[in-house]
Amino acid sequence: QVTLKESGPGILQPSQTLSLTCTFSGFSLSTYGMGVGWIRQPSGKGLEWLANIWWDDDKYYNPSLKNRLTISKDTSNNQAFLKITNVDTADTATYYCARPLTTAVDYWGQGVMVTVSS
Amino acid sequence: DIQMTQSPPSLSASLGETISIECLASEGIYSNLAWYQQKPGKSPQLLIYGASSLQDGVPSRFSGSGSGTQFSLKISSMQPEDEADYFCQQSYKFPLTFGSGTKLEIK
Repeated sequence: QVTLKESGPGILQPSQTLSLTCTFSGFSLSTYGMGVGWIRQPSGKGLEWLANIWWDDDKYYNPSLKNRLTISKDTSNNQAFLKITNVDTADTATYYCARPLTTAVDYWGQGVMVTVSS
Repeated sequence: DIQMTQSPPSLSASLGETISIECLASEGIYSNLAWYQQKPGKSPQLLIYGASSLQDGVPSRFSGSGSGTQFSLKISSMQPEDEADYFCQQSYKFPLTFGSGTKLEIK
């Protein structure tokens, strides 16, 4: 059974760095073809893909966030991480980690709400 | 980036009615399209992948069709539990992009 769960700070101030952790089970990032991705959703709005990391440490980022994103993994502990630097109010959203396949995202975490406010 | 234009933004349907939601890609994506259902306060759930393949456990009243740039999601015989938001997503090219969503309500 595949599960993913996000954790994060809840609230942070503008210009700080957002650090998110995804703890998953039911698959391994040491297995060929496996990956973890991050997607966010502002309240009442649509979905925005942020980044993916794959079993071979290949990484893909959404260029709309320029160089603010860093995705990484800890294969031994079944975790993936996302950092977003220099946050502002536009980064307020629910952040999901998920398992991407080649044609879809088949499992999603429950999401973690992040609020950026001074 | 590939733009995904989803329509209609909202839809009201009667129980038992058949409905369709459309998704138009700004360039050809072959069959690299997925559909998701999202209920209030919940994470999205995969319904359809590869444009027309039904995810395990999804009721057969859901179906997907299309290829290239035009895609559709059909719900045959609307049920109360189908009231939700629906999103399409292309996985042909990075950055992965989603449609803006369709809110489906019961009339």
